[in-house]
Amino acid sequence: AQSVTQLGSHVSVSEGALVLLRCNYSSSVPPYLFWYVQYPNQGLQLLLKYTSAATLVKGINGFEAEFKKSETSFHLTKPSAHMSDAAEYFCAVSAGGGQGGKLIFGQGTELSVKP
Amino acid sequence: GAVVSQHPSWVICKSGTSVKIECRSLDFQATTMFWYRQFPKQSLMLMATSNEGSKATYEQGVEKDKFLINHASLTLSTLTVTSAHPEDSSFYICSVRSRAGDNEQFFGPGTRLTVL
Repeated sequence: AQSVTQLGSHVSVSEGALVLLRCNYSSSVPPYLFWYVQYPNQGLQLLLKYTSAATLVKGINGFEAEFKKSETSFHLTKPSAHMSDAAEYFCAVSAGGGQGGKLIFGQGTELSVKP
Repeated sequence: GAVVSQHPSWVICKSGTSVKIECRSLDFQATTMFWYRQFPKQSLMLMATSNEGSKATYEQGVEKDKFLINHASLTLSTLTVTSAHPEDSSFYICSVRSRAGDNEQFFGPGTRLTVL
C-alpha cells in the first residue's frame, strides 16, 4: 500500500525566495512519485515525476525534486519564487513497475507568493 | 502528454435530477481513465477506475448506483450523477493513464457541479 504526507497545508514565501514544499511517502514497493500543480478551478498539471531513473528530477517552470529513499522523501524546490507560482501543489505516489496505475495524493500545499 | 477535455465545465441542477459529465481523450486512445472528486480546499479523492469495454472499478465507499460510469470507447468516458443532491456538489475531475508504463496521469480541466 502507498500513502503520501505533505507537511504544511500552506506555505508563504516572498517573491525571489526559495520555495520548499515537503512530501514524504510510504510504499511497500518501489514507488513512482509525482508533483502536480493546480490553479483555481482547473485540473492538474504535471510538474515532474520520479520513475526510478535519476534521483534528482528537473521539471517545468524551474522546479526540481530529489528522491531520497533513506528519508522516504520527495521534496519540491525552486530557487526563486515567482508570483505566478502561487497555486495548490499535490504530491502523489504510485506503485512502481506499472502496477495498478492508481495515484495516491497528498492533502496538498497551498503556496502563496508575496511581492 | 495527452490532451483531456471535460464537458460541461460547470453545471447547476435541481435536487433529484441526473447529470452526465463527459471526459474525452483528444489525442490518444485511453484504455484506462480515472474519476476523482474534489471538495473545496481538499485533495483529490479517487472515485473509480474506468476501463474501456468493461465495468468500472469503484473505490470503497463510492456508490456505484449513484455514480454511473460508462467507458464505451477508447476516447470517451462518462460519469452520471443520478438523483443528485446538494451533498453531491463538488469539482469532478477525470484523467487518462499514460501508456508509457510510468503511471503518469493526464488530467481534464474539471467540472464544477452545483446541486440546488
